[in-house]
Amino acid sequence: QSALTQPASVSGSPGQSITISCTGTNNDVGSYNLVSWYQQHPGKAPKLMTYEGNKRPSGVSNRFSGSTSGNTASLTISGLQAEDEADYYCCSYAGRGVVFGGGTKLTVL
Amino acid sequence: QVQLAQSGAEVKKPGASVKVSCKVYGYTLTELTMHWVRQAPGKGLEWMGGFDPEDDETMYAQKFQGRVTMTEDTSTATAYMELSSLRSEDTAVYYCATLGDSVEFDIWGQGTMVTVSS
Repeated sequence: QSALTQPASVSGSPGQSITISCTGTNNDVGSYNLVSWYQQHPGKAPKLMTYEGNKRPSGVSNRFSGSTSGNTASLTISGLQAEDEADYYCCSYAGRGVVFGGGTKLTVL
Repeated sequence: QVQLAQSGAEVKKPGASVKVSCKVYGYTLTELTMHWVRQAPGKGLEWMGGFDPEDDETMYAQKFQGRVTMTEDTSTATAYMELSSLRSEDTAVYYCATLGDSVEFDIWGQGTMVTVSS
């Protein structure tokens, strides 16, 4: 299993919207609607933000939304806030186990 | 509310083994599907393995096959991950995490730093 491909970094100003892409293959993202996204602040454990398309755990802001098209999944964050600055990772079911993306550092300007 | 509490930091020499524990609070271990993920310093998340409820067995990432063993002690509600033949590249934070029905890691432990150094 190869890691999913994410941009190394993205940035945006407060109030703006940004989208982070996550590209996989027909063996993972393209075959299963089972992509999840995680937010990780420095020195902290990852936190689940979205899963199975556009589902959100209780307590996660509706500013975070997930989607999938073909072999590419996306995480969109609307109304950027300073506290959204963090690393973001996608993860997909791959038939036998899971595979993570390399991570994207989001900077809020 | 499920909480996962991991054991403390470890320093090991190359070639040694390490066993990290993950104690479950607020739920019974048998009702959870436990997995392990690691993160080397400054690097991304890497799935190591975990329990597959469909096959009723533990599955390991190919990279760790033969070197990792994941076990559970239901009497103490504790999951364990043991990694052997340690090398410097195994220096990382090791996380336990529960896997939800949609293959999402919904609850995470606080992480255990394992340093491999001679």
